[in-house]
Amino acid sequence: GDSVTQMEGPVTLSEEAFLTINCTYTATGYPSLFWYVQYPGEGLQLLLKATKADDKGSNKGFEATYRKETTSFHLEKGSVQVSDSAVYFCALETGANNLFFGTGTRLTVIP
Amino acid sequence: NAGVTQTPKFQVLKTGQSMTLQCAQDMNHNSMYWYRQDPGMGLRLIYYSASEGTTDKGEVPNGYNVSRLNKREFSLRLESAAPSQTSVYFCASSGARGANTEAFFGQGTRLTVV
Repeated sequence: GDSVTQMEGPVTLSEEAFLTINCTYTATGYPSLFWYVQYPGEGLQLLLKATKADDKGSNKGFEATYRKETTSFHLEKGSVQVSDSAVYFCALETGANNLFFGTGTRLTVIP
Repeated sequence: NAGVTQTPKFQVLKTGQSMTLQCAQDMNHNSMYWYRQDPGMGLRLIYYSASEGTTDKGEVPNGYNVSRLNKREFSLRLESAAPSQTSVYFCASSGARGANTEAFFGQGTRLTVV
């Protein structure tokens, strides 16, 4: 079945460090891929998305490229800030069912 | 624009008690969802509603019932709460299933069953 495998955390980085959070997926058909972010005490909110192979989603300095050949959608940011501390969820939607979420990766950025 | 509103934000129940979690959205979305979030397990779908008047089971429906009261409201009911239902519950809505559209989430309900 459809699923998302996400890099386990927690991840702790110093401010201005480079961030990568790995995400790979298994899906039939051609899924859309998403990264959602959950700040403390809040619900999830969409960070970025890509709907077809080779698309790059970007927002707030974060980027992820839809790689069909490696079934991956890794999240990257060149220079993290303390305000980026949150839990990040990779997700996919196949069009036939609901959103499938990864287990989430907690990021803590220290000054 | 309120988006998705869930009530209550916190709740403590005794085993065997019942309660209903309320959810309302003001974005005129067709699809609504209930998820539970547990440590190390991400979000798991309990039930969803693709349109007013329809509901379907998700990955973990046992012990829950839902009602799509109208296009705006989608409630989740625990008839006889169990400690295994201790979790954070999120309601979400989106424009249409399978349309690659963004899902909007409420702030969550933290439920503890003792």
